[in-house]
Amino acid sequence: DAKTTQPTSMDCAEGRAANLPCNHSTISGNEYVYWYRQIHSQGPQYIIHGLKNNETNEMASLIITEDRKSSTLILPHATLRDTAVYYCIVRVYNAGNMLTFGGGTRLMVKP
Amino acid sequence: NAGVTQTPKFQVLKTGQSMTLQCAQDMNHNSMYWYRQDPGMGLRLIYYSASEGTTDKGEVPNGYNVSRLNKREFSLRLESAAPSQTSVYFCASSGTGGPFYNEQFFGPGTRLTVL
Repeated sequence: DAKTTQPTSMDCAEGRAANLPCNHSTISGNEYVYWYRQIHSQGPQYIIHGLKNNETNEMASLIITEDRKSSTLILPHATLRDTAVYYCIVRVYNAGNMLTFGGGTRLMVKP
Repeated sequence: NAGVTQTPKFQVLKTGQSMTLQCAQDMNHNSMYWYRQDPGMGLRLIYYSASEGTTDKGEVPNGYNVSRLNKREFSLRLESAAPSQTSVYFCASSGTGGPFYNEQFFGPGTRLTVL
């Protein structure tokens, strides 16, 4: 699986959009970009995934650059409950495939 | 549906003791996983089971054994616990078919301390 690079930490004001970047310059053609988050002391939670098109669901939007070497997770209206560690993971879309978690980005949403 | 459940939630062991961490899922998923998370670190895969009857090593399997008892249950055993195994252990599962089949669902974790 391709390696990812994320900032260690970010702050965001409550109610504003949180934009979390991820670099994955060695991504290959059959690898998807996944985002998970982990709220303190809880198990990770799936957020969204995509291949090359931008994706949106009820939680977030995922913007993938045209060359697929980087992506941005957008939380449109961050709340205090969005404070968590966000993990960007790149892997092949295949049932049973393991997730490789890096250090992630610690997002702190402030009032 | 309860999703993924883990028992116990907390455990303290002495060095050399053994124990089994239990995990069950009620989502009819084929694949199940065991991860550990040390303080301030990301999760690391210990073992996984892609389907009932199969198990494979992950990134950090030493000191652990697993059993895929049936489709629902996947247990993790520490035969002789060591302080280096102090960690939070997460079980996860993922299914096949449908738009989210590759999403992994995680349990609440077991916090293990080995003295």
